[in-house]
Order: sequence, then structure tokens, then C-alpha cells
Amino acid sequence: QVQLQQWGAGLLKPSETLSLTCAVYGGSFSDYYWSWIRQPPGKGLEWIGEINHSGNTAYTSPLKSRVTISIDTSKSQFSLELTSVTAADTGVYYCTRGPNPGTHDFDYWGQGALVTVSS
Amino acid sequence: DVVMTQSPLSLPVTLGQPASISCRSSQSLVHSDGNTYLSWFQQRPGQSPRRLIYKVSNRDSGVPDRFSGSGSGSDFTLKISRVEAEDVGLYYCMQGTHWYTFGQGTKLEIK
Repeated sequence: QVQLQQWGAGLLKPSETLSLTCAVYGGSFSDYYWSWIRQPPGKGLEWIGEINHSGNTAYTSPLKSRVTISIDTSKSQFSLELTSVTAADTGVYYCTRGPNPGTHDFDYWGQGALVTVSS
Repeated sequence: DVVMTQSPLSLPVTLGQPASISCRSSQSLVHSDGNTYLSWFQQRPGQSPRRLIYKVSNRDSGVPDRFSGSGSGSDFTLKISRVEAEDVGLYYCMQGTHWYTFGQGTKLEIK
């Protein structure tokens, strides 16, 4: 059974950097892509970006200039950094497994981390 | 970007009655490999999303067979044959053909 456990700072001031990490337990870490998805309060889900075991990344265009996803295969962990945050970056951030090659979606999700940006 | 439009956004349903959610994409979701990458997710209150259906109509392991997905091209439907109390929550469609975008979500509640 695959489990994703995530952590990181929950309260940020505008212009600070959001930093979250996700640890993966079970399954074969190197065989998959890993993504971050966020959910602003009362709104839908937004894919942020992905990374594979080789460190190849792809990001959603609106956030591309501010986001970095990194990976540590020795620890089966991957991380998200989002710079220069504003109130619009407030929301729940999920780490996920995927997109998977056969289904192009996300089959395992972390528990979510609420990030609030406020002065 | 591909825009996913769900309807209705709010769905009050009587226990034991059927429910249906529509999802339309702004362009065809048929991939160049011939597959259609349309998935459905359920998000119960206070929980992370959970995948129910992938590639239009394939149910995930452990998903009750009262859930079914159908559709093609740019028009898709999630049906629940008989709604149970545990089905309360938000439902999202998601396309994985042209990068990844989600619908706005449909809130299912018991009438």
C-alpha cells in the first residue's frame, strides 16, 4: 500500500517562500512521476507541477516563474518551493503520485497541508 | 488550457435515488494514442480526493459498483445508481489528455 505523508510551514507572510516536502512509503518510488496539486479555499483543484526520478520537471504555466519541484530518491521524498507568495497562494496543497503513464492522472494523495498567506 | 465544466454544481439527492453529474471539456479528450484520459474523483468532507474512475469508465479497486462513468469526446457523465450517505462530498472530473485540469466540482448532499 502506497502512502504519502507531507509536511511544511503552514503560515507565511506575503513575499515569503512556501516550502513543502512529501515522503512516500511503499511501492516503487523511482517508477513513477510525482506531482503537487493545490486547492484554494472554496475552489477547485489546480495541478502545480510534476517530477520524475531523474529530476525531469514540468510546471503549470501561471506558476512556472515561481515554482521549483525537487526530488531525493535516496529518501523517497519530493519537495515543492513556491517563491514570492501572496494571498492568492493560500490553500490546501496535496502531494500526489502521478501522472501515471497508463491513466494520466493521480492515484495516491497525501493528507494535504493548509498554507495560509497573511500579513 | 482545456476548461472542464461540470453541472450541476450542487446536487441534492434523496437516499436510494440515482444521481448524475455531467462534465464537458472545451476540446476533445481523445489523445493521440487513442485513449481518452478522463477521470473522476470523490472528496469527502475533510478528506483528500480519492480517484473513483479512470479513462472514462474504469472503476478503481474498492469503488462500489453503484458508481459508473461513461462518455466520449468532450462529453462525460458520472452516475451513482443509488445514493448512500457515505457518498456526500465533492466530485471532480479531471482531464489528462492536454496536461491536467479539473472541473469546478459538484457538491452532492442528501436531501
